[in-house]
Amino acid sequence: DAGITQSPRYKITETGRQVTLMCHQTWSHSYMFWYRQDLGHGLRLIYYSAAADITDKGEVPDGYVVSRSKTENFPLTLESATRSQTSVYFCASSGAATPYEQYFGPGTRLTVT
Amino acid sequence: DAKTTQPPSMDCAEGRAANLPCNHSTISGNEYVYWYRQIHSQGPQYIIHGLKNNETNEMASLIITEDRKSSTLILPHATLRDTAVYYCIVRVAHRMEYGNKLVFGAGTILRVKS
Repeated sequence: DAGITQSPRYKITETGRQVTLMCHQTWSHSYMFWYRQDLGHGLRLIYYSAAADITDKGEVPDGYVVSRSKTENFPLTLESATRSQTSVYFCASSGAATPYEQYFGPGTRLTVT
Repeated sequence: DAKTTQPPSMDCAEGRAANLPCNHSTISGNEYVYWYRQIHSQGPQYIIHGLKNNETNEMASLIITEDRKSSTLILPHATLRDTAVYYCIVRVAHRMEYGNKLVFGAGTILRVKS
């Protein structure tokens, strides 16, 4: 189906483990984004990508790594998970001409124990 | 970047029009007004955006005042599924610069009641 999907939808991991959250979109959108949402902080941008092989930091990039080898995929990796990274993670995408018209995935709820 | 001000909450009767206001008195000439909403436990959803003319799509209408200092999002026939937090955001539409991003403020909690 067309759209934007995230996997897994729920994940529990232990402190220090590496975990990768996947994001896939079928619109061939140029831009892709990763946000995290926490109570009291709202949505915060982690990383974004303007095109394949072009990524840039958002406001809270520390502890995260991204890559974008294909236009449709934008995985987010937590290299060594910490409890402070317990959050809901949203992926989004948008077209090149309208980067602020973003379409969000359903989210991944990550718990780090 | 222009700041926006929205009421913290509003109630609306099911089937009636929901009118959500937003003030953006410092908006620049090349900045657009965007509206998003977030239904509980879901990702944010793009609704509509506009520059100075009124806009309408299948979800809502956007009315921007002539001086562009405020706008109103109209849901013509609100349903219980429209209960959500609604965000008004101002951005230059066609430019994504380093560090520039969508900023979701506190928004307006719209409660649609039967």
